[in-house]
Amino acid sequence: NAGVTQTPKFQVLKTGQSMTLQCAQDMNHNSMYWYRQDPGMGLRLIYYSASEGTTDKGEVPNGYNVSRLNKREFSLRLESAAPSQTSVYFCASWGDRRARADTQYFGPGTRLTVL
Amino acid sequence: DAKTTQPTSMDCAEGRAANLPCNHSTISGNEYVYWYRQIHSQGPQYIIHGLKNNETNEMASLIITEDRKSSTLILPHATLRDTAVYYCIVSYSGAGSYQLTFGKGTKLSVIP
Repeated sequence: NAGVTQTPKFQVLKTGQSMTLQCAQDMNHNSMYWYRQDPGMGLRLIYYSASEGTTDKGEVPNGYNVSRLNKREFSLRLESAAPSQTSVYFCASWGDRRARADTQYFGPGTRLTVL
Repeated sequence: DAKTTQPTSMDCAEGRAANLPCNHSTISGNEYVYWYRQIHSQGPQYIIHGLKNNETNEMASLIITEDRKSSTLILPHATLRDTAVYYCIVSYSGAGSYQLTFGKGTKLSVIP
């Protein structure tokens, strides 16, 4: 049971390049999330998916697209990377929020630098 | 979701209890209080959450005031590995998928 996994761990892009960050969870959770964290700041929500087939914008969606490929996988795409997108990206998942012991689980992060 | 207010930083001596306060004066009746921590840019780690009763697990205790306007996370015997940023988050507990809004948290430094 790996929890939430993210690939790649590190990435360097040039301005204008595109890339997709991959996220997968093996806990059969319905909801999945993408956050970014800039130095010295808290996490900010980019997009989330309440269930397979649905996606919604979070606080900072501009410049990103997402795909909920199936229940396990939720990808984040940067179509034309900009230096302002240099950040650490975290994926998270959450099962049934009504369950007493349920919590949000986070992946280890992808450290992205855009030159 | 209700906003929270936390001190920017705190120090705690190793082996002593660390008490981290959080104010959430606009919390509504169906919102839980969650605590997460983040150790050196790793993914945030869940610690504990509660609605109105005090809660305890193997990591920490959560004390929520009777009016629910503030809470305290207690790490009973802090170790150097507890040095981290601690986030207090208030979030709706109903059905559906809701966001966790992370502020800047409290940077806890455990001192030898």
